[in-house]
Amino acid sequence: GAVVSQHPSWVICKSGTSVKIECRSLDFQATTMFWYRQFPKQSLMLMATSNEGSKATYEQGVEKDKFLINHASLTLSTLTVTSAHPEDSSFYICSARTGGYEQFFGPGTRLTVL
Amino acid sequence: QQQVKQSPQSLIVQKGGISIINCAYENTAFDYFPWYQQFPGKGPALLIAIRPDVSEKKEGRFTISFNKSAKQFSLHIMDSQPGDSATYFCAASQWSGDKLTFGTGTRLAVRP
Repeated sequence: GAVVSQHPSWVICKSGTSVKIECRSLDFQATTMFWYRQFPKQSLMLMATSNEGSKATYEQGVEKDKFLINHASLTLSTLTVTSAHPEDSSFYICSARTGGYEQFFGPGTRLTVL
Repeated sequence: QQQVKQSPQSLIVQKGGISIINCAYENTAFDYFPWYQQFPGKGPALLIAIRPDVSEKKEGRFTISFNKSAKQFSLHIMDSQPGDSATYFCAASQWSGDKLTFGTGTRLAVRP
């Protein structure tokens, strides 16, 4: 149980285009979902926290107009990277929480912007 | 005050040895301390977690030791195996609804 999926697992796009990444909780309802970014050999950096039906809370320094988060249901959250540039290339990971302490992480999405 | 400091940055252990990774925190409001294991190209997976009401928790070969007064906690991997080679992250959060604050990570290599 407690499986979180992400789609796509990897994506390559041209500079200036937008990319959408989906995060789904497969066997539980997620009251809260989190989006992280991880650069090579670095730790996870929290980008934003989202609760179903409400606006996401972004961490300091994260551009909310560039990284659009939609938590449309208790099992789905999406992250859209708008007007992507090479510096946005990274490993994006989501996690989901049911209400307790534990966060269940997705397998990650590798974004490469050419 | 929200930082979690992790050491060492990298660790090489012989097969069968004990791997020890340490973390320290400042925020006394933290009350949940998980350890995650991450393989290259994968998301992190929860290994083991502890609350401040106990000083030690063991699950199989993995043990968390927690020292509340020193604001430190550590992960011990007994009988380390090559399959344990991965990056390990400690983390902490204040309450069940709060975000996790991650340590900087430790790259563990277990030599055959």
